[in-house]
Amino acid sequence: DTGVSQDPRHKITKRGQNVTFRCDPISEHNRLYWYRQTLGQGPEFLTYFQNEAQLEKSRLLSDRFSAERPKGSFSTLEIQRTEQGDSAMYLCASSLNRVYPGELFFGEGSRLTVL
Amino acid sequence: LAKTTQPISMDSYEGQEVNITCSHNNIATNDYITWYQQFPSQGPRFIIQGYKTKVTNEVASLFIPADRKSSTLSLPRVSLSDTAVYYCLVPNTGGFKTIFGAGTRLFVKA
Repeated sequence: DTGVSQDPRHKITKRGQNVTFRCDPISEHNRLYWYRQTLGQGPEFLTYFQNEAQLEKSRLLSDRFSAERPKGSFSTLEIQRTEQGDSAMYLCASSLNRVYPGELFFGEGSRLTVL
Repeated sequence: LAKTTQPISMDSYEGQEVNITCSHNNIATNDYITWYQQFPSQGPRFIIQGYKTKVTNEVASLFIPADRKSSTLSLPRVSLSDTAVYYCLVPNTGGFKTIFGAGTRLFVKA
């Protein structure tokens, strides 16, 4: 199965440490999204790439968050100086570029716990 | 972006048909209506998408009235495994910045 894969699936870190998550989208998909989800809430949009270009970034993202997609394939999401409020599931999704909204394919997510 | 409103939770029993209604009063002419399903500890999964009238696939049906200000997701004969959160979305044309609300938590009982 060549779905969206995320790594690591689980990460436990201490407050103040940096963490990085990786997302490998479906190979022919040129759009890639990052979402954050906390318990009982829907996924919250963080950022979006079309190929290697980061086209939109949520104002919810502080300067501690950065995402890259250097070659238009995989993407990384880095959180610097983690805080307990960063504890959440980080979801990656990909889709094809279509005229109308197409289907978002989500990965299993990377669960972050900040102690 | 069109804002959506849907019930916070619903209960049902196995074998029943479940209808979840979503309102999207400020939907734009080019907007589509999309529904996703999410199980615990998994990413959301696309269920169905439509523009008007009725769309049916192997999983669900989507009913959209002429004014398109609401839509109803219909799940026929639900089973315990249909217990999940269901999200109604109206992604803007172009598909980026798809915004999720809190969704509807469906509990299917035996």
